[in-house]
Amino acid sequence: AQSVTQLDSQVPVFEEAPVELRCNYSSSVSVYLFWYVQYPNQGLQLLLKYLSGSTLVKGINGFEAEFNKSQTSFHLRKPSVHISDTAEYFCAVSNTGNQFYFGTGTSLTVIP
Amino acid sequence: KAGVTQTPRYLIKTRGQQVTLSCSPISGHRSVSWYQQTPGQGLQFLFEYFSETQRNKGNFPGRFSGRQFSNSRSEMNVSTLELGDSALYLCASSGDRVNTEAFFGQGTRLTVV
Repeated sequence: AQSVTQLDSQVPVFEEAPVELRCNYSSSVSVYLFWYVQYPNQGLQLLLKYLSGSTLVKGINGFEAEFNKSQTSFHLRKPSVHISDTAEYFCAVSNTGNQFYFGTGTSLTVIP
Repeated sequence: KAGVTQTPRYLIKTRGQQVTLSCSPISGHRSVSWYQQTPGQGLQFLFEYFSETQRNKGNFPGRFSGRQFSNSRSEMNVSTLELGDSALYLCASSGDRVNTEAFFGQGTRLTVV
């Protein structure tokens, strides 16, 4: 079975500061990893994904994540956040079909 | 191309009633998955349909069911509604290759009173 742990439920950060949202997963088999963002009253939008290859993955809106197999982590980072980055962020894993297992989410609040 | 369309956006139902939600995937996508999102349980996988066949199923009671039509449109049905079924129901469509990106609709907000 797969599971995802997002260690921080809420992350406040000042505008233009860097941010890291943490994600750890557990799985007995190879997994594929994703980060999604959800704005209020909206569906989920893909930020980035790791399927194979380079462990550093770059996504949209300046976000990037690093896959660390030994630490079973897939932390999301952005060097300088904007007000518009305020949203809920979900880490997800998948290894069978298109069934995704999501973490409980991290609410990122960017403070002006 | 058009994104994933879910209808209706909002629903209010009474306990004991049944409800049907609709999802139209992105053109050409044959995989449609459904998720329930609640503040307490987060995002939970309900089921996935591919070419009119249920391919994966989550851990939900039999009151939750779905189907997919030949044009890939999918419906989800919940019978004998309970207060705890109040949630945002999200539909996602994916291409044929497994573990590719899932494109989500805006969801249907179901409130059971």
